[in-house]
Amino acid sequence: EVQLVESGGVVVQPGGSLRLSCAASGFTFDDYTMHWVRQAPGKGLEWVSLISWDGGSTYYADSVKGRFTISRDNSKNSLYLQMNSLRTEDTALYYCAKGADIVVVVAALDYWGQGTLVTVSS
Amino acid sequence: EIVLTQSPGTLSLSPGERATLSCRASQSVSSSYLAWYQQKPGQAPRLLIYGASSRATGIPDRFSGSGSGTDFTLTISRLEPEDFAVYYCQQYGSSPRTWTFGQGTKVEIK
Repeated sequence: EVQLVESGGVVVQPGGSLRLSCAASGFTFDDYTMHWVRQAPGKGLEWVSLISWDGGSTYYADSVKGRFTISRDNSKNSLYLQMNSLRTEDTALYYCAKGADIVVVVAALDYWGQGTLVTVSS
Repeated sequence: EIVLTQSPGTLSLSPGERATLSCRASQSVSSSYLAWYQQKPGQAPRLLIYGASSRATGIPDRFSGSGSGTDFTLTISRLEPEDFAVYYCQQYGSSPRTWTFGQGTKVEIK
């Protein structure tokens, strides 16, 4: 059974930093592209970033480019999101999600974690 | 960047009725890289449709997707009580490499 478990969400002040983690199990982690998607309270989904199965390709939404960094450790079946220069508008539930197709970047997202809440507030 | 516009914002229907949800893209979506997701309150999204018309694993056949280019549709042939939720379309991988969501359509019980 595929499982994705996010952690690391806390309350942080504007301008602060935070690192989110996602622990994956139930599939061959290093065969799949992984994503972060966020959802502000009461709002819709916003794609944040992806990293290819081998870490060789990364993409970001314009809203986080230059502030967030996605990474992965395939030896630990883990995905990360380093978030710097946080803003109040970054407040959201952050989901980790798995790409649906093996060793490709372009694919839908077929499994999602339950999310970790990041609150940026003074 | 491709912008996805979903309509209507809210759809009020009764169980057993047919639901038709629209997703329009600001420019053509490459190779029908269009997906649909269902999200219920307090839950993570669930993939329903990928490649514009292929059902994901375990998705009932009352859910169907169609369309190409800039116009896509999700149809629920006969609404079951568990189908009342918010539905999002998503395009994936168009140049530049971005994955964008529509704003969502809420299907509510009439």
